[in-house]
Amino acid sequence: EILMTQSPATLSVSPGDRATLSCRASQSVSSNLAWYQQKPGQAPRLLIFGASTRANGIPARFSGSGSGTEFTLTISSLQSEDFAIYYCQQYYNWPPITFGQGTRLDIK
Amino acid sequence: EVQLVQSGAEVKKPGESLRISCKGSGYSFSTYWVGWVRQMPGKGLEWMGLIYPGDSDTRYSPSFQGQVTISADTSIDTAYLQWSSLKASDTAIYYCVRERHLDYWGQGTLVTVSS
Repeated sequence: EILMTQSPATLSVSPGDRATLSCRASQSVSSNLAWYQQKPGQAPRLLIFGASTRANGIPARFSGSGSGTEFTLTISSLQSEDFAIYYCQQYYNWPPITFGQGTRLDIK
Repeated sequence: EVQLVQSGAEVKKPGESLRISCKGSGYSFSTYWVGWVRQMPGKGLEWMGLIYPGDSDTRYSPSFQGQVTISADTSIDTAYLQWSSLKASDTAIYYCVRERHLDYWGQGTLVTVSS
């Protein structure tokens, strides 16, 4: 089973600033990496798949990068609606598909 | 428009059985993997398994193998998640998802198991 580790657990950023979230896989997942956003009381939604491809309707301020074992989600110029929990997920070697434990993005 | 619409919240007692559902629309149901993700109260996301409705190929997480059954009925474009004997620890929100990169999510079904 591939272990996904996200850092930091909590990130406090001011609106308008850039946020950088990290995700590390215990072994290579190639580019089979997705990012999700979850707001309180809502289902998660797909932001990025294939490590760097934005899902339908996702604003350009969200970008993903990386391959192999190291991945980054960058949110440029944070908006109020971006404060949420973010999860990474690998779908390269499955079952099982595995998630990171999440990064909570808080308003500073 | 692709949609996954799940059945409503359930309250059950330990030992009871349960089946929740997820109806897909707006796409060819038989040709995309459909699966389930668990979120326990205040916790993260756990992938449970996927089924390919076209041939019923089903893959489970080792953590959930033998604990639940995933099935699908292509005649009504609906996937199911089933328990034969619920435990209190099954209390969670269960999300229906599409594909391995989970491009669409259902609204979630809250399952509460309490005596």
